[in-house]
Amino acid sequence: GIQVEQSPPDLILQEGANSTLRCNFSDSVNNLQWFHQNPWGQLINLFYIPSGTKQNGRLSATTVATERYSLLYISSSQTTDSGVYFCAVDFAGNQFYFGTGTSLTVIP
Amino acid sequence: EAGVTQSPTHLIKTRGQQATLRCSPISGHTSVYWYQQALGLGLQFLLWYDEGEERNRGNFPPRFSGRQFPNYSSELNVNALELEDSALYLCASRGTKRSNQPQHFGEGTRLTIL
Repeated sequence: GIQVEQSPPDLILQEGANSTLRCNFSDSVNNLQWFHQNPWGQLINLFYIPSGTKQNGRLSATTVATERYSLLYISSSQTTDSGVYFCAVDFAGNQFYFGTGTSLTVIP
Repeated sequence: EAGVTQSPTHLIKTRGQQATLRCSPISGHTSVYWYQQALGLGLQFLLWYDEGEERNRGNFPPRFSGRQFPNYSSELNVNALELEDSALYLCASRGTKRSNQPQHFGEGTRLTIL
């Protein structure tokens, strides 16, 4: 069946550290997005990245569609990076399947 | 450009009542998606509307229903509310069905069932 798996489930970092979050998916992807959910519940678009590599400031993402995974890199982490990171995958163009998320805590 | 707007922000109901949640998509977007996020859990797909029609439905009972209006705004209705319906309900909009465009989310409606 369709699966979207994220790892690690929880991550605690010291401020300034780097991290890599992973999203594995079970089938060919039509679209893929990374989101950050803030403590108030809002989902913030980070990247729309069905393939290739993108960068936005301290964040970057890479999707290797042929190998069915995507990575989100966070460099020089800040306390404001804390929250839950979700990947969402659209396999057939009709709905997005969300992973279970990575809960990130950045401590000062 | 205004983002996706949802109302109300918070809603408190009792068991057995009915709840109506509203979503206005980004101007020009025709697709609206609804998701449920129960406390501590991931996002579960509820419904997808595009151009006024229901295109897909997640694994939820029929008491979860909705509609999309000619201006592409949408309502989610939940009948016979149960305690486990307490959750954050998120709406997202997207350009058109099968478009290679990202979803954009609203801030959600937090529904509490007493």
